[in-house]
Amino acid sequence: NAGVTQTPKFQVLKTGQSMTLQCAQDMNHEYMSWYRQDPGMGLRLIHYSVGAGITDQGEVPNGYNVSRSTTEDFPLRLLSAAPSQTSVYFCASSYRTDSNEQFFGPGTRLTVL
Amino acid sequence: AQSVTQPDIHITVSEGASLELRCNYSYGATPYLFWYVQSPGQGLQLLLKYFSGDTLVQGIKGFEAEFKRSQSSFNLRKPSVHWSDAAEYFCVFAGGTSYGKLTFGQGTILTVHP
Repeated sequence: NAGVTQTPKFQVLKTGQSMTLQCAQDMNHEYMSWYRQDPGMGLRLIHYSVGAGITDQGEVPNGYNVSRSTTEDFPLRLLSAAPSQTSVYFCASSYRTDSNEQFFGPGTRLTVL
Repeated sequence: AQSVTQPDIHITVSEGASLELRCNYSYGATPYLFWYVQSPGQGLQLLLKYFSGDTLVQGIKGFEAEFKRSQSSFNLRKPSVHWSDAAEYFCVFAGGTSYGKLTFGQGTILTVHP
């Protein structure tokens, strides 16, 4: 199993550009989520999905879109990047209960100039 | 509202010394609690988790944590710290109908002096 994979590892954007952060998992997990990590703030939930075709907003959803067309993939889209979106982004997956461990990807470091 | 707080932003210990990282939560029922570790430039690794039952939980790398309902705490401990334990540690909360949505504490950065 590859676990949770994320691409790219690093990305630099200019303000206003769009891009998609990719996330995939091969563990047949129903639940997938996106977090952003900023210094001194821990990780904050952006969007999450409890299964294919079902997504919902987390704590900081503004400026981000998601979709879940398959169980394996959960891409995060930035439609018009802003400097405030400079962060490290982590994707996670788990079985659909609170009591199961969430597995995290290696992260994508995004800089918006 | 549910929340989790790590009071210490940065802790420094000497190698071989004992360690305790503090975590407090706010929630009306029994929470699901986790400790994750993040080494510099790396992803997150689960150290241990508490759901129910024994209040003293053993984890990987010699770590343990104790759930104390009366104090709303879930402190992480290690009897003897190694230089490789230097990392950032996150106390994490999940509960109720959050369907696996995690709430992270702010993190505690651990520095280990030789």
